[in-house]
Amino acid sequence: QITLKESGPTVVKPTQTLTLTCTFSGSSLRNNGVGVGWIRQPPGKALEWLALIYGDDDKRYSPSLESRLTITKDSSTNQVVLTMTNMDPVDTATYYCVHPALYLRHWGQGTLVTVSS
Amino acid sequence: DIQMTQSPSSMSASEGDRVTITCQASQDISNYLNWYQQKPGKAPKLLIYDASNLDTGVPSRFRGSGSGTDFTFTISSLQPEDIATYYCQQFDDLPVTFGQGTKVEIK
Repeated sequence: QITLKESGPTVVKPTQTLTLTCTFSGSSLRNNGVGVGWIRQPPGKALEWLALIYGDDDKRYSPSLESRLTITKDSSTNQVVLTMTNMDPVDTATYYCVHPALYLRHWGQGTLVTVSS
Repeated sequence: DIQMTQSPSSMSASEGDRVTITCQASQDISNYLNWYQQKPGKAPKLLIYDASNLDTGVPSRFRGSGSGTDFTFTISSLQPEDIATYYCQQFDDLPVTFGQGTKVEIK
């Protein structure tokens, strides 16, 4: 059974950097073709794709956010980390990690991140 | 980016009614389209993948069709547990993009 769980701060201040961790079980990030992605959803709004990373360390980012995002993985711990710099109140959202990277069959429970001073 | 235009944005139907949602891509995406159901406070759930394939355990009243730029999602007989917001998602090209969602309510 594949499970994912997001962890990280619930509140960040404007201009700060957000670091979220996705802990993934039931498959291995060492497998090429196995990907984990991040999706976010502002309150009451639609889903927005952010980034993905594959087992071979191929990384892709949303063009509109690429300058602010970094995605990394630790295959030994089956964790994927997303960092987003220069946080703004418009980045307030529930952040989900997902797998596989394109067929979003498995989702974490999501973590609500509020950007506020 | 490929734009996904989903309609309607919301709808109300009676239990047992047929519900149809459409999704139009801004360019040909073949059949690289998935449909998701999201209930309030929950993560989305994959219902249909590759435009027309029912994911494991999904009731057969859900159906997807289409290819190219025009896609349709249908609930053949609306049930109270189907109250949710539905999203289409293309993955023909990155970035992955979603429709704006269709909120389905019961009259």
